[in-house]
Amino acid sequence: QKEVEQDPGPLSVPEGAIVSLNCTYSNSAFQYFMWYRQYSRKGPELLMYTYSSGNKEDGRFTAQVDKSSKYISLFIRDSQPSDSATYLCAMAPDTGRRALTFGSGTRLQVQP
Amino acid sequence: DAGVTQSPTHLIKTRGQQVTLRCSPKSGHDTVSWYQQALGQGPQFIFQYYEEEERQRGNFPDRFSGHQFPNYSSELNVNALLLGDSALYLCASSPMGQGWTDTQYFGPGTRLTVL
Repeated sequence: QKEVEQDPGPLSVPEGAIVSLNCTYSNSAFQYFMWYRQYSRKGPELLMYTYSSGNKEDGRFTAQVDKSSKYISLFIRDSQPSDSATYLCAMAPDTGRRALTFGSGTRLQVQP
Repeated sequence: DAGVTQSPTHLIKTRGQQVTLRCSPKSGHDTVSWYQQALGQGPQFIFQYYEEEERQRGNFPDRFSGHQFPNYSSELNVNALLLGDSALYLCASSPMGQGWTDTQYFGPGTRLTVL
Protein backbone atom coordinates (compact mmCIF):
# COMPACT_ATOMS: atom_id res chain seq x y z
CA GLN A 1 0.00 0.00 0.00
CA LYS A 2 1.29 3.45 -0.95
CA GLU A 3 1.76 6.05 1.78
CA VAL A 4 -0.34 8.55 -0.21
CA GLU A 5 -3.30 7.50 -2.34
CA GLN A 6 -4.84 9.71 -5.01
CA ASP A 7 -7.46 8.88 -7.62
CA PRO A 8 -5.76 9.22 -11.03
CA GLY A 9 -8.92 10.36 -12.84
CA PRO A 10 -9.34 11.75 -15.39
CA LEU A 11 -11.95 14.00 -13.85
CA SER A 12 -13.95 15.89 -16.47
CA VAL A 13 -16.15 18.86 -15.46
CA PRO A 14 -17.88 21.73 -17.28
CA GLU A 15 -16.50 25.25 -17.02
CA GLY A 16 -17.74 27.00 -13.87
CA ALA A 17 -18.15 23.81 -11.85
CA ILE A 18 -16.78 23.28 -8.35
CA VAL A 19 -14.01 20.67 -8.39
CA SER A 20 -13.08 18.48 -5.44
CA LEU A 21 -9.72 16.69 -5.42
CA ASN A 22 -8.72 14.37 -2.60
CA CYS A 23 -5.86 12.37 -1.10
CA THR A 24 -5.69 9.88 1.71
CA TYR A 25 -2.54 8.96 3.57
CA SER A 26 -1.38 6.36 6.05
CA ASN A 27 1.59 8.02 7.81
CA SER A 28 0.29 9.82 10.90
CA ALA A 29 3.60 11.72 11.15
CA PHE A 30 2.69 13.92 8.17
CA GLN A 31 2.10 17.50 9.35
CA TYR A 32 2.68 19.61 6.25
CA PHE A 33 0.42 19.30 3.23
CA MET A 34 0.82 20.81 -0.20
CA TRP A 35 -1.01 20.87 -3.51
CA TYR A 36 0.91 21.25 -6.75
CA ARG A 37 -0.43 21.77 -10.27
CA GLN A 38 1.46 20.22 -13.17
CA TYR A 39 0.78 21.01 -16.80
CA SER A 40 1.80 18.46 -19.40
CA ARG A 41 5.58 18.12 -19.71
CA LYS A 42 6.20 20.88 -17.14
CA GLY A 43 7.45 20.93 -13.56
CA PRO A 44 4.99 21.02 -10.62
CA GLU A 45 3.82 24.49 -9.53
CA LEU A 46 2.98 25.09 -5.86
CA LEU A 47 -0.69 26.05 -5.32
CA MET A 48 -1.41 25.70 -1.61
CA TYR A 49 0.52 24.88 1.55
CA THR A 50 -1.13 24.06 4.88
CA TYR A 51 0.04 22.90 8.27
CA SER A 52 -1.83 20.42 10.49
CA SER A 53 -5.64 20.41 10.34
CA GLY A 54 -8.00 23.10 9.14
CA ASN A 55 -8.86 25.11 6.05
CA LYS A 56 -6.94 27.60 3.96
CA GLU A 57 -8.36 29.73 1.18
CA ASP A 58 -6.54 31.50 -1.65
CA GLY A 59 -8.69 33.00 -4.37
CA ARG A 60 -10.65 30.24 -6.09
CA PHE A 61 -8.74 27.52 -4.21
CA THR A 62 -9.51 26.07 -0.77
CA ALA A 63 -7.39 23.41 0.92
CA GLN A 64 -8.77 21.28 3.75
CA VAL A 65 -6.90 18.92 6.05
CA ASP A 66 -8.57 16.37 8.33
CA LYS A 67 -5.77 14.66 10.21
CA SER A 68 -8.15 12.50 12.25
CA SER A 69 -9.31 10.88 9.01
CA LYS A 70 -5.92 11.20 7.25
CA TYR A 71 -7.71 12.95 4.40
CA ILE A 72 -6.92 16.15 2.52
CA SER A 73 -8.91 17.99 -0.14
CA LEU A 74 -8.48 20.78 -2.65
CA PHE A 75 -11.56 22.63 -3.90
CA ILE A 76 -11.53 24.76 -7.02
CA ARG A 77 -14.44 27.18 -7.46
CA ASP A 78 -15.57 28.55 -10.83
CA SER A 79 -13.26 26.16 -12.67
CA GLN A 80 -11.73 27.39 -15.93
CA PRO A 81 -10.33 25.52 -18.97
CA SER A 82 -6.92 26.84 -17.91
CA ASP A 83 -7.26 24.75 -14.72
CA SER A 84 -6.95 21.61 -16.85
CA ALA A 85 -3.83 19.93 -15.51
CA THR A 86 -2.66 17.18 -13.19
CA TYR A 87 -3.02 17.99 -9.49
CA LEU A 88 -0.53 16.42 -7.10
CA CYS A 89 -0.87 16.29 -3.35
CA ALA A 90 2.36 16.18 -1.35
CA MET A 91 3.13 15.89 2.32
CA ALA A 92 6.02 15.87 4.79
CA PRO A 93 6.47 15.08 8.48
CA ASP A 94 8.46 18.02 9.78
CA THR A 95 8.75 20.75 7.18
CA GLY A 96 7.97 21.36 3.55
CA ARG A 97 11.68 21.93 2.97
CA ARG A 98 12.46 18.24 3.48
CA ALA A 99 11.63 15.16 1.39
CA LEU A 100 8.10 15.33 0.04
CA THR A 101 5.91 12.26 -0.44
CA PHE A 102 3.59 12.69 -3.42
CA GLY A 103 0.38 11.11 -4.55
CA SER A 104 0.23 9.84 -8.11
CA GLY A 105 -1.79 12.86 -9.28
CA THR A 106 -5.35 13.44 -10.53
CA ARG A 107 -5.80 14.58 -14.11
CA LEU A 108 -8.46 17.30 -14.38
CA GLN A 109 -10.15 18.37 -17.60
CA VAL A 110 -12.39 21.46 -17.58
CA GLN A 111 -14.59 21.54 -20.66
CA PRO A 112 -15.46 24.99 -22.11
CA ASP B 1 13.53 36.83 -10.25
CA ALA B 2 14.73 33.66 -11.98
CA GLY B 3 13.11 30.47 -10.84
CA VAL B 4 14.69 27.04 -10.73
CA THR B 5 16.45 26.20 -13.98
CA GLN B 6 17.51 22.79 -15.28
CA SER B 7 19.59 21.58 -18.19
CA PRO B 8 19.37 19.91 -20.57
CA THR B 9 15.67 19.85 -21.39
CA HIS B 10 15.77 16.46 -23.08
CA LEU B 11 18.36 13.71 -23.18
CA ILE B 12 18.57 10.36 -24.93
CA LYS B 13 21.04 7.74 -23.71
CA THR B 14 21.56 4.01 -24.18
CA ARG B 15 21.65 1.33 -21.51
CA GLY B 16 24.88 1.22 -19.54
CA GLN B 17 25.81 4.83 -20.21
CA GLN B 18 26.22 7.55 -17.62
CA VAL B 19 24.36 10.86 -17.47
CA THR B 20 24.75 14.19 -15.65
CA LEU B 21 21.84 16.58 -15.11
CA ARG B 22 22.22 20.14 -13.84
CA CYS B 23 20.16 22.47 -11.68
CA SER B 24 20.38 26.09 -10.57
CA PRO B 25 18.20 26.95 -7.57
CA LYS B 26 15.85 29.88 -7.21
CA SER B 27 17.53 33.09 -6.06
CA GLY B 28 17.93 33.11 -2.27
CA HIS B 29 17.59 29.32 -1.95
CA ASP B 30 20.46 27.19 -0.67
CA THR B 31 18.93 23.70 -0.60
CA VAL B 32 18.42 21.50 -3.64
CA SER B 33 16.37 18.30 -3.87
CA TRP B 34 16.08 15.89 -6.77
CA TYR B 35 13.01 13.85 -7.70
CA GLN B 36 12.29 11.20 -10.33
CA GLN B 37 8.85 11.23 -11.96
CA ALA B 38 7.91 8.23 -14.08
CA LEU B 39 5.11 8.64 -16.61
CA GLY B 40 1.72 8.78 -14.90
CA GLN B 41 3.23 8.80 -11.41
CA GLY B 42 3.99 11.39 -8.78
CA PRO B 43 7.58 12.54 -8.16
CA GLN B 44 9.74 10.29 -5.97
CA PHE B 45 12.41 11.82 -3.73
CA ILE B 46 15.99 10.89 -4.66
CA PHE B 47 18.12 13.05 -2.34
CA GLN B 48 18.65 16.53 -0.93
CA TYR B 49 21.79 18.67 -0.76
CA TYR B 50 22.56 21.48 1.66
CA GLU B 51 25.97 23.05 2.37
CA GLU B 52 27.47 20.82 -0.32
CA GLU B 53 26.52 17.64 1.55
CA GLU B 54 23.84 15.01 1.00
CA ARG B 55 21.42 15.53 3.92
CA GLN B 56 18.63 13.12 3.14
CA ARG B 57 18.24 10.25 0.70
CA GLY B 58 15.28 8.34 -0.66
CA ASN B 59 15.12 4.70 -1.70
CA PHE B 60 17.38 4.88 -4.73
CA PRO B 61 20.47 2.76 -5.50
CA ASP B 62 24.04 4.04 -5.31
CA ARG B 63 24.02 4.44 -9.10
CA PHE B 64 22.35 7.76 -8.32
CA SER B 65 24.77 10.31 -6.93
CA GLY B 66 24.91 14.05 -6.69
CA HIS B 67 26.92 17.09 -5.93
CA GLN B 68 26.29 20.64 -4.77
CA PHE B 69 28.63 23.50 -5.61
CA PRO B 70 29.49 26.57 -3.50
CA ASN B 71 27.06 28.67 -5.56
CA TYR B 72 24.28 26.22 -4.50
CA SER B 73 23.83 24.74 -7.99
CA SER B 74 23.68 20.97 -8.17
CA GLU B 75 24.28 17.97 -10.39
CA LEU B 76 22.59 14.58 -10.49
CA ASN B 77 24.64 11.70 -11.88
CA VAL B 78 23.25 8.34 -12.86
CA ASN B 79 25.62 5.50 -13.76
CA ALA B 80 24.96 2.25 -15.62
CA LEU B 81 21.65 3.46 -17.00
CA LEU B 82 18.71 1.05 -17.11
CA LEU B 83 15.60 1.25 -19.24
CA GLY B 84 13.65 1.89 -16.04
CA ASP B 85 15.60 5.10 -15.44
CA SER B 86 13.62 6.76 -18.23
CA ALA B 87 11.68 9.52 -16.49
CA LEU B 88 11.32 13.24 -15.89
CA TYR B 89 13.99 14.34 -13.41
CA LEU B 90 12.93 17.31 -11.33
CA CYS B 91 15.03 19.63 -9.28
CA ALA B 92 13.46 21.60 -6.43
CA SER B 93 14.98 24.33 -4.31
CA SER B 94 14.08 25.70 -0.91
CA PRO B 95 15.54 28.05 1.67
CA MET B 96 17.04 26.29 4.72
CA GLY B 97 15.62 28.88 7.03
CA GLN B 98 13.31 28.77 10.02
CA GLY B 99 10.06 29.79 8.40
CA TRP B 100 7.46 27.02 8.62
CA THR B 101 5.90 28.19 5.38
CA ASP B 102 9.08 27.49 3.41
CA THR B 103 8.63 24.73 0.90
CA GLN B 104 10.05 23.50 -2.38
CA TYR B 105 9.81 25.13 -5.77
CA PHE B 106 10.32 22.96 -8.83
CA GLY B 107 12.13 23.46 -12.09
CA PRO B 108 10.78 22.39 -15.49
CA GLY B 109 12.62 19.06 -15.38
CA THR B 110 14.92 17.08 -17.66
CA ARG B 111 13.27 14.32 -19.64
CA LEU B 112 15.65 11.34 -19.86
CA THR B 113 15.00 8.54 -22.32
CA VAL B 114 17.10 5.38 -22.05
CA LEU B 115 17.09 3.15 -25.14
